[in-house]
Amino acid sequence: EDKVVQSPLSLVVHEGDTVTLNCSYEVTNFRSLLWYKQEKKAPTFLFMLTSSGIEKKSGRLSSILDKKELSSILNITATQTGDSAIYLCAGNFGNEKLTFGTGTRLTIIP
Amino acid sequence: DTGVSQNPRHKITKRGQNVTFRCDPISEHNRLYWYRQTLGQGPEFLTYFQNEAQLEKSRLLSDRFSAERPKGSFSTLEIQRTEQGDSAMYLCASKTAVVLTGELFFGEGSRLTVL
Repeated sequence: EDKVVQSPLSLVVHEGDTVTLNCSYEVTNFRSLLWYKQEKKAPTFLFMLTSSGIEKKSGRLSSILDKKELSSILNITATQTGDSAIYLCAGNFGNEKLTFGTGTRLTIIP
Repeated sequence: DTGVSQNPRHKITKRGQNVTFRCDPISEHNRLYWYRQTLGQGPEFLTYFQNEAQLEKSRLLSDRFSAERPKGSFSTLEIQRTEQGDSAMYLCASKTAVVLTGELFFGEGSRLTVL
């Protein structure tokens, strides 16, 4: 049973490009959606979106929750090589744990 | 360093051996989680604790896996009679239970290789 689905699985762009990563989720018991960045170590938190807070922005990164489409996007503008990572989307479905998608592997070519 | 700490960071073992991983959460966090991550996949939930009580275990957690959190502080994850399929990164995370939708803070993981 997949509750969180991410696309694309991988993406390769040139430095300076803008990228959009997608995440869809099930509506049942949905509480919040979180984005994490994972380089070679632990996932690090980026954003959390709930029904009461559907857009977040931090520097070149921004994220929007579309409650109607049951999806979220993560945008990165003016990409840099340091943005190369796996981006994980996770949902909280009211059962006190996060359910992760498979991630999108983003590679930025200098 | 006040983050989540895990050790060992890497463990190579032979099939059939037992291994144990330790996690020290952020001190004020009463919730502690274990996840497993294999190559090309997102983290998969294994189990979690609130204080010393183990509240949920995934069906992924076979009888060979056991986790404890004595006194509600650090936690250990033991794998008995390891199999090659156990090779993965084992991630520990913690959070406060005060905010139910709050983020998890992850440690850097313990990578297990079973030969």
